[in-house]
Amino acid sequence: EVQLVESGETVVRPGGSLRLSCVASGFIFDNYDMSWVRQTPGKGLEWVSGINWNGGSTAYADSVKGRFTISRDNAKNSLYLQLNRLRPEDTALYHCARVYGGSFYYFDSWGQGALVTVSS
Amino acid sequence: EIVMTQSPATLSVSPGERATLSCRASENIGDNLAWYQQKPGQAPRLLTYGASTRVAGIPDRFTGRGSGTEFTLTISSLQSEDFAVYYCQQYYKWPPCTFGQGTKLEIK
Repeated sequence: EVQLVESGETVVRPGGSLRLSCVASGFIFDNYDMSWVRQTPGKGLEWVSGINWNGGSTAYADSVKGRFTISRDNAKNSLYLQLNRLRPEDTALYHCARVYGGSFYYFDSWGQGALVTVSS
Repeated sequence: EIVMTQSPATLSVSPGERATLSCRASENIGDNLAWYQQKPGQAPRLLTYGASTRVAGIPDRFTGRGSGTEFTLTISSLQSEDFAVYYCQQYYKWPPCTFGQGTKLEIK
């Protein structure tokens, strides 16, 4: 069974930093591209960042470019998202998601999410 | 970026009846569209991709149709477990892939 488990709930002040983790199991992790998708009640689902199978290619939404960094450690079956210079509007539930593959960039498995709250 | 617009925002339907959810793309995306279902407290679940291909294990009462800019997800004979929020997502042009804002399907 495919499982994606994100790190726990976090509260951080505006301008602060944190790193999210996602541990994968039940599939060959380095066969898949991965992404982070965030969710808020007001904006719904928003793709944040993606990384290819070996970490050699990354992409970001304009809203986070230059502030967030995606990475992975295939030996640990883990995906990461470093969040810097956080803003209140970054408050969201952050899901890690497995990309189906190739040019078909949809998500066939999702984690439950890690809640990030940016507040003073 | 491609903007995805879903309608209606909320749809009230009685169990056993049919529900049709709509999704419109701001430009031609071919059949590069996926539908997801999300229940409270759960992660989104992929239902269909390629506009009309059901994921293994998804009941055949879920039918996706459309191409270009207009898409629908029809759920025939609604079951209690089908009441949830549904999202469409385009993957024709990425990054970024983009989602609709969701349709909440509620019990009438």
